[in-house]
This record gives sequence, structure tokens and C-alpha cells, in this order.
Amino acid sequence: DGGITQSPKYLFRKEGQNVTLSCEQNLNHDAMYWYRQDPGQGLRLIYYSQIVNDFQKGDIAEGYSVSREKKESFPLTVTSAQKNPTAFYLCASSIFARVSTGELFFGEGSRLTVL
Amino acid sequence: RKEVEQDPGPFNVPEGATVAFNCTYSNSASQSFFWYRQDCRKEPKLLMSVYSSGNEDGRFTAQLNRASQYISLLIRDSKLSDSATYLCVVNGQGGKLIFGQGTELSVKP
Repeated sequence: DGGITQSPKYLFRKEGQNVTLSCEQNLNHDAMYWYRQDPGQGLRLIYYSQIVNDFQKGDIAEGYSVSREKKESFPLTVTSAQKNPTAFYLCASSIFARVSTGELFFGEGSRLTVL
Repeated sequence: RKEVEQDPGPFNVPEGATVAFNCTYSNSASQSFFWYRQDCRKEPKLLMSVYSSGNEDGRFTAQLNRASQYISLLIRDSKLSDSATYLCVVNGQGGKLIFGQGTELSVKP
């Protein structure tokens, strides 16, 4: 089945530790995105990538890093510089040429809790 | 002013009711508008696009008012399974999609 796979689904980390969230897609989509969702808030864009080996900062990129070495993969690292990392993280993809159609396909999300 | 702002929830309605959500957007240059549905602790999924002429999909009707910069979603004959959070989404600069904070709907028997 085609889709987006995020892992892990739940993650706990201590303050000061970096953590990497995995996102893999087999939809052959060009564009991939990372969003963060906090309770009662909409999704906020962290980073996005429209093509392999290229990515752009979103609205809240500070304290995060990404890479796009393969079309299928767009991992997100939450660094110790992120002041409030506890959140629900969602990875999405789209056929870039059709991003204006709003067809974002999301993974099931990764819930990160910092202890 | 937020780029995309939705009616604050939650909306609690009985089965069979008609309910409407509104959403305003600040960028007059926006061209693409959508409603997503998000179930509790799940990922959002595209519910429907919103076209200039308005569009309908079964019990769901979406409308766009460019002059007033708002979009709406109408749900007729509410079902228990309609309980979810509804996210208004608008395209912003560079084609990025901007999400509203969501309006929670709870349909009661």
C-alpha cells in the first residue's frame, strides 16, 4: 500500500537530548513537509522540501533540522535548542506540481514528550 | 491578525442538526481553499476543496466569499461519525498551505 510512514509513534526524551523523527513515503511525491501541532492550535510549518537535496525553512524552523538525501525520506531532528519540543509532529507529502490542489497526504504522526 | 482564523469551538449539536463553520483569511491573493477533517489524535485528511462557485459533496457544502475573505462549511443532517475537528486551509505565499486552528464538532445522539 502506498502511503507515508512516520516513526516512532510515541517518543519520550530528556531535556538536552536531540531526537530524530523518521518520515518515509512510497507515493513518489516530490514535496515533503514537517508540521507541528499543539493543543488547540493549527498546524505550523517547520520545514519543507520540494526536491531532493533542497529544503526550505517554514514558519517555526528554529531548533529543528532536516535532510532530504532521498526522494522517499525526510527525517526531522529536534535539537536541544528547541525550547518547547513537546508536541504532535506530522509529516506530509504532495505531488509538488499539484500542491495548490491542497492534496497533502499525512503520516499518522509522532507524539514527542520531553520529560 | 492571524492569517487563517476559524470559529472557536466546540460545537455541540444533536444528530440530524445542520451546522455551519466559518473561516476568515487575511491574504487577498490566496487562490486555493480547503477543508480538512482531523479525528482525535489522528492525522488530518482532505475533506473537500472550496471552489469559487461553491461545491457540494453529499451532506457537505463549501462556499467561498472572496469579497469578504471567508469560506464556510455546512454540514446537513449531522451524524455521530461527523464528530471531529475541521481545519480550514488556505494557500499562502510561495504556495505554502496555512492551517487554521480548527473547529471541534461533537454530534450527540
